[in-house]
Amino acid sequence: GENVEQHPSTLSVQEGDSAVIKCTYSDSASNYFPWYKQELGKGPQLIIDIRSNVGEKKDQRIAVTLNKTAKHFSLHITETQPEDSAVYFCAANRQAGTALIFGKGTTLSVSS
Amino acid sequence: DAGVIQSPRHEVTEMGQEVTLRCKPISGHNSLFWYRQTMMRGLELLIYFNNNVPIDDSGMPEDRFSAKMPNASFSTLKIQPSEPRDSAVYFCASSRQGNTIYFGEGSWLTVV
Repeated sequence: GENVEQHPSTLSVQEGDSAVIKCTYSDSASNYFPWYKQELGKGPQLIIDIRSNVGEKKDQRIAVTLNKTAKHFSLHITETQPEDSAVYFCAANRQAGTALIFGKGTTLSVSS
Repeated sequence: DAGVIQSPRHEVTEMGQEVTLRCKPISGHNSLFWYRQTMMRGLELLIYFNNNVPIDDSGMPEDRFSAKMPNASFSTLKIQPSEPRDSAVYFCASSRQGNTIYFGEGSWLTVV
C-alpha cells in the first residue's frame, strides 16, 4: 500500500520568510496530492491540491510542486505570516475522493 | 452549508466501557472516512465507505472496533471494550466521489 513520508517534522521561520515542506510517496499509481492545514482543536482543512498531470500549482502565497519521476511533492509558502502557524499534512491517493494516506505532519511556527 | 458533524466533541470514559462516536456527512457526499489521530502515529485511516458500503477496513485496529453506516447521512464508530491506548482524536470525513475530502472537527476521546 501507499506510504507517505513528510519532512521536516517541525519548522520555525521568521515572518516574511518562505517555508518549504517536502513529502515522498511510494505508490507510483498515486495521482492526487492534497495538502491540509490543521489548527489547534480543529479538523484538517484542504489548502491546495495537485493532480499528476500538472507539475506546479499556485494559489496566492501557496504553491505545490510535483515530481512524479522522483515521487515527491512539496508545499511552498511565501511571505509567511503568524496566522500560517499550524500543522500541515501532505497526503496521496490514487483518485481524488478515495481514502487519503497522510504524512506525519509538519508543525510550522511563524514568529513576528 | 453545514460541514461534517461529529458527536460527541469530547468524551472521557473508563476503561472497559463502550464508546460510540457519531458522524453526519455533508449532504450529497457518498464517501465517508474514519481517521484516528495520535501524536505517535499521526492520521491513520481506520475505515471508509462508498455508498454506505465498507470498502477498506484494514486500518481497524482489532475486533474491539466496529463501524457502521446504516444510511447516507449517518455513521457510527464503536469501541467495545475501550482501553487507555484508544485515547485519540477520531475524525470523520466525507467527499463526493472524486472530489475534496472534508473533515469534521473531531471527537476527542480519553479512556482512563
